[in-house]
Amino acid sequence: NAGVTQTPKFRVLKTGQSMTLLCAQDMNHEYMYWYRQDPGMGLRLIHYSVGEGTTAKGEVPDGYNVSRLKKQNFLLGLESAAPSQTSVYFCASTRVLDTGELFFGEGSRLTVL
Amino acid sequence: AQSVTQLDSQVPVFEEAPVELRCNYSSSVSVYLFWYVQYPNQGLQLLLKYLSGSTLVKGINGFEAEFNKSQTSFHLRKPSVHISDTAEYFCAVSESRNRDDKIIFGKGTRLHILP
Repeated sequence: NAGVTQTPKFRVLKTGQSMTLLCAQDMNHEYMYWYRQDPGMGLRLIHYSVGEGTTAKGEVPDGYNVSRLKKQNFLLGLESAAPSQTSVYFCASTRVLDTGELFFGEGSRLTVL
Repeated sequence: AQSVTQLDSQVPVFEEAPVELRCNYSSSVSVYLFWYVQYPNQGLQLLLKYLSGSTLVKGINGFEAEFNKSQTSFHLRKPSVHISDTAEYFCAVSESRNRDDKIIFGKGTRLHILP
């Protein structure tokens, strides 16, 4: 079972470059989330989606865009990367909120020089 | 909007001693509450959850938590810790009446088990 798969797992960017992180889940989950994890800051929600074709802003959305064109995929884009976006990014999904369990990907470590 | 406060960033405890990791939340409506664990260099996995019903919930690996609505708390406890419990623990909250809602995490508590 693949579960939640994130690609790429590691990436180094230069300031100003763009890139897209892909999250794919094979569990037919409605809800998908993108978090970033930084030391001492916990997990902060960037954007999320409650279903195909929908997206919403989380706690720290600036500098990021997302799309959910297909139910199984949730893309996170950085149009012009900045050093402050150096972080570990986690994607998560869940079927419905009242099951309570988020399924996480393994994380994507992004470094912006 | 909901928020979560984990009062301790690090908790050292001797092996086989009891531990409590504190979590307080803020919300104007009823909530779902969760504890997740992250072992080194891994993603997060669910320890336990409170959705409704009994305020004492039991999870995996001998952990339990108690929902206290009047104190808006959801503290995590284990009566005897093991070296394998070394990890970072995250409390999370979601507003249960809002279908379009998000799950918000606290800043985490790093549990150090001392030999």
